[in-house]
Amino acid sequence: RKEVEQDPGPFNVPEGATVAFNCTYSNSASQSFFWYRQDCRKEPKLLMSVYSSGNEDGRFTAQLNRASQYISLLIRDSKLSDSATYLCVVGRGSGNTGKLIFGQGTTLQVKP
Amino acid sequence: DAGVIQSPRHEVTEMGQEVTLRCKPISGHDYLFWYRQTMMRGLELLIYFNNNVPIDDSGMPEDRFSAKMPNASFSTLKIQPSEPRDSAVYFCASRRRAGGYTFGSGTRLTVV
Repeated sequence: RKEVEQDPGPFNVPEGATVAFNCTYSNSASQSFFWYRQDCRKEPKLLMSVYSSGNEDGRFTAQLNRASQYISLLIRDSKLSDSATYLCVVGRGSGNTGKLIFGQGTTLQVKP
Repeated sequence: DAGVIQSPRHEVTEMGQEVTLRCKPISGHDYLFWYRQTMMRGLELLIYFNNNVPIDDSGMPEDRFSAKMPNASFSTLKIQPSEPRDSAVYFCASRRRAGGYTFGSGTRLTVV
């Protein structure tokens, strides 16, 4: 079983739709959580950190449920430019110490 | 800031040949990570260094793979001998202790 599991998709949605991605992790000692975005044939880039209290950045909202070991990302009013692969990432150490473990990613395709 | 610089961008080599991938981290970043990405396995951490010292190499697939960081501004990942199953995109990333990861653009390796 992979340490970080995501539904690979693809998720095909129309512009303006709301879409949610989920992720589960198996190591209960994990202490830091992130969503990264990866465009086709490009490197991953940090989208946002995920905090226990939940956090929002514009159209993006991230949630963490430590009891269920579950992380989510909600994208509202999706844009064509949101089309990418979204990687759920879990860190072994607190803050940014230690190493990051990446999920395989969920592919989003936003259509006009 | 030039970001994390990897070379070469693309490498095509014959099975059995030695391959050397290079990475220059961002100045002042004291952690350096080597990842490999394939369609089947996603992003896998191979090895990471802290202050030029290898901390965790448990992800290195086998003895054919080796990595060095002779100084704070340079790291290499070597595969000898290379095999077709080593074909992948190899990413280098660096960060400061309390900072986020920055990935390089990757090296796309094809072993024929």
